[in-house]
Amino acid sequence: EDQVTQSPEALRLQEGESSSLNCSYTVSGLRGLFWYRQDPGKGPEFLFTLYSAGEEKEKERLKATLTKKESFLHITAPKPEDSATYLCAVGGAQKLVFGQGTRLTINP
Amino acid sequence: DAGVIQSPRHEVTEMGQEVTLRCKPISGHNSLFWYRQTMMRGLELLIYFNNNVPIDDSGMPEDRFSAKMPNASFSTLKIQPSEPRDSAVYFCASRTGQLTTGELFFGEGSRLTVL
Repeated sequence: EDQVTQSPEALRLQEGESSSLNCSYTVSGLRGLFWYRQDPGKGPEFLFTLYSAGEEKEKERLKATLTKKESFLHITAPKPEDSATYLCAVGGAQKLVFGQGTRLTINP
Repeated sequence: DAGVIQSPRHEVTEMGQEVTLRCKPISGHNSLFWYRQTMMRGLELLIYFNNNVPIDDSGMPEDRFSAKMPNASFSTLKIQPSEPRDSAVYFCASRTGQLTTGELFFGEGSRLTVL
């Protein structure tokens, strides 16, 4: 059974303070690693898909990387509007298994 | 273009009552998913449909839960009878039929409170 563990559960940073979120996974065969962002009271919003170890994707202040066992979401010089819960998921064509998420707060 | 539309956004009901949640997927998307989100268990897949046909309902908690997709533009999730432990946010998501992406488009959710 596919499993996803995210750490830390919550992270509080000052504006401009860079950091990384971790997503560890156990799958029978990785068919994709996905990052989503979820704002309070909203549904998750897709950010990135990674398929193979060594792959990287970037979007504004976010960069996602993938190894054989884990993925990192690096946030560089974050702004308060980056505050959200970041969810990691693994899966294939049909089913995504989500982690519990990391709740990120950026203080001005 | 409108996103995934869910209704109601909030529902408060008493134990034992029937609850029906509704979803309109994005036009042209042929896969539809129902997820449930709680603090304890996170996002859990309940059931998904391809071309209106239920493919996997192994995540449906028990027989009190049922889901239908009578056409490509409408789906319902029904709980009967409802129990307090069903309190959660229920999300509907849709996607095109491409097999190479995990990009789901989520609605804003229906927050259910069962008293």
